Amino acid sequence: AQSVTQLDSQVPVFEEAPVELRCNYSSSVSVYLFWYVQYPNQGLQLLLKYLSGSTLVKGINGFEAEFNKSQTSFHLRKPSVHISDTAEYFCAVSPSHGQNFVFGPGTRLSVLP
Amino acid sequence: DAGVTQSPTHLIKTRGQHVTLRCSPISGHKSVSWYQQVLGQGPQFIFQYYEKEERGRGNFPDRFSARQFPNYSSELNVNALLLGDSALYLCASSLGGRGLLDTQYFGPGTRLTVL
Repeated sequence: AQSVTQLDSQVPVFEEAPVELRCNYSSSVSVYLFWYVQYPNQGLQLLLKYLSGSTLVKGINGFEAEFNKSQTSFHLRKPSVHISDTAEYFCAVSPSHGQNFVFGPGTRLSVLP
Repeated sequence: DAGVTQSPTHLIKTRGQHVTLRCSPISGHKSVSWYQQVLGQGPQFIFQYYEKEERGRGNFPDRFSARQFPNYSSELNVNALLLGDSALYLCASSLGGRGLLDTQYFGPGTRLTVL
């Protein structure tokens, strides 16, 4: 079985500052990794995903994430955040056979003016 | 093009009742997945359907069932509702073929409240 940990439930950051949202996972099999964003009163939107290849993955809205197999981590980063980035961010994993999908508890990013 | 649509938007039921939630995927998508998101938590995977067949199932009791129709729309049914079933139910569609590894596009969800 897979599990996902997002250690920070809330991350406040000032506008134009950098941010890192942490994600660690546990799995006995190979996994694929995803980051989703959920804006207030909306469904989830895919930010980026890692399936194979380069461990640095670039996504939409200037976000990127790095897969670290030895540390079982997939941290999300953005060099300069905007007010519009305020949302809930979810890390998710799926085993390579793709028959299940496990989300973390989420991190609420609040960008302050 | 329209995105994933779900109906109803909100629903209030009492314990023991039955509920049916509906989802229409993006045109051309053949796979639909259902998730339960309890307030303050991440979504939990319930089912995935592809070409009208169940392709994946999460750890939910048999009170939860689903089906996919020839037009690829889907229904999620929950019997004998419990207070703990109160949640946002999300539907996601994808092209299909690669299971949950295909990019999933989520609908806005149905907010179910069980009293």
